[in-house]
Amino acid sequence: DAMVIQNPRYQVTQFGKPVTLSCSQTLNHNVMYWYQQKSSQAPKLLFHYYDKDFNNEADTPDNFQSRRPNTSFCFLDIRSPGLGDAAMYLCATSRSNRGRGHEQYFGPGTRLTVT
Amino acid sequence: GESVGLHLPTLSVQEGDNSIINCAYSNSASDYFIWYKQESGKGPQFIIDIRSNMDKRQGQRVTVLLNKTVKHLSLQIAATQPGDSAVYFCAENGGTSYGKLTFGQGTILTVHP
Repeated sequence: DAMVIQNPRYQVTQFGKPVTLSCSQTLNHNVMYWYQQKSSQAPKLLFHYYDKDFNNEADTPDNFQSRRPNTSFCFLDIRSPGLGDAAMYLCATSRSNRGRGHEQYFGPGTRLTVT
Repeated sequence: GESVGLHLPTLSVQEGDNSIINCAYSNSASDYFIWYKQESGKGPQFIIDIRSNMDKRQGQRVTVLLNKTVKHLSLQIAATQPGDSAVYFCAENGGTSYGKLTFGQGTILTVHP
């Protein structure tokens, strides 16, 4: 059963044309993350939601925005994609439990191509 | 700043051999560590985790060792199979309690039949 779902799996957009990637989860986890992963590199955290609280990483460009309308869904908006934004975008979830670390559950990713 | 790094970017082994993938971390506040396997075109998949109150944990064909003195983590895969070929990432939590992780650079494991 799918737990973290990402749509679409492959997305092609034009340079400068806004694009939205979506993520949904059936785990009822309260924390959701967006990562950017380029070829042969580790996932790079862009931002995360802890419940409704948005937490941006210091080096995430302003071009990247996110929305979380409810617990199950989270969106990644790229306002003006550049060629350098072509990458795999990974969504992940985790549950908070004070004092204990927890694994993140990842979706299959969306491969973004910018033409 | 905090970082998690790997000593070897690639590892090639023969089928049936044991594999060892290493990872160094620098954040002393980290108390939770995890290994992920990522196959081409897929999201990272959980393999095994360990908390800082342990120094060894075993799963099915995998063992994670934690040496807090030298801030070192390793993943041992027994009887490596071609299906184990993937990129392996270690990650640490930096002391956070809700799942935020910092990933290491990754090691490409190739298993030859």
